[in-house]
Amino acid sequence: DAGITQSPRYKITETGRQVTLMCHQTWSHSYMFWYRQDLGHGLRLIYYSAAADITDKGEVPDGYVVSRSKTENFPLTLESATRSQTSVYFCASRDRDRGQPLHFGNGTRLTVT
Amino acid sequence: KQEVTQIPAALSVPEGENLVLNCSFTDSAIYNLQWFRQDPGKGLTSLLLIQSSQREQTSGRLNASLDKSSGRSTLYIAASQPGDSATYLCAVLDGGSQGNLIFGKGTKLSVKP
Repeated sequence: DAGITQSPRYKITETGRQVTLMCHQTWSHSYMFWYRQDLGHGLRLIYYSAAADITDKGEVPDGYVVSRSKTENFPLTLESATRSQTSVYFCASRDRDRGQPLHFGNGTRLTVT
Repeated sequence: KQEVTQIPAALSVPEGENLVLNCSFTDSAIYNLQWFRQDPGKGLTSLLLIQSSQREQTSGRLNASLDKSSGRSTLYIAASQPGDSATYLCAVLDGGSQGNLIFGKGTKLSVKP
């Protein structure tokens, strides 16, 4: 089925561990985004990518690493998880045309203990 | 720095009522504005996208308007139904941005039967 798939849906990890959140889209959209959603802060952009091998920082990039070797995949890695990274993470994608809507995955709920 | 505000944070109405959700933004130099719906535990679903040159967009019982000069948008929902209960978010794409949507914190709507 076409769309954006995020995995896992839920993840519990310990402080200091490395964890990778996966995002896969089937539309061949150029742009992909990672947002985190927290009570009181709303949605904040972590990183985005305009195409394979092109990534850029968003509003809150510290502690996160991204890569995009293939157009359809955009994994997000927390190199050494901290409790402040407990959040719901959303991946989104969009066509190259800025006038097109943004499409979201169903999110990954991450808890860092 | 662009800021997006949605008031009220929560709204409860009886079924069948027409209602308006408000969104304001501080910098009028936007490229477009998008309204989303988010159900609990789910990702965001795009409802309507208004380009900066447009005044309104309609989809079924939903109508979104844009007054760029005053920095305001409204989402009008006609004949509300319990199934409309969700959180509604607006987001703007700045004119100079390639992809970073700036989100409001949302209005949580409850439609009571």
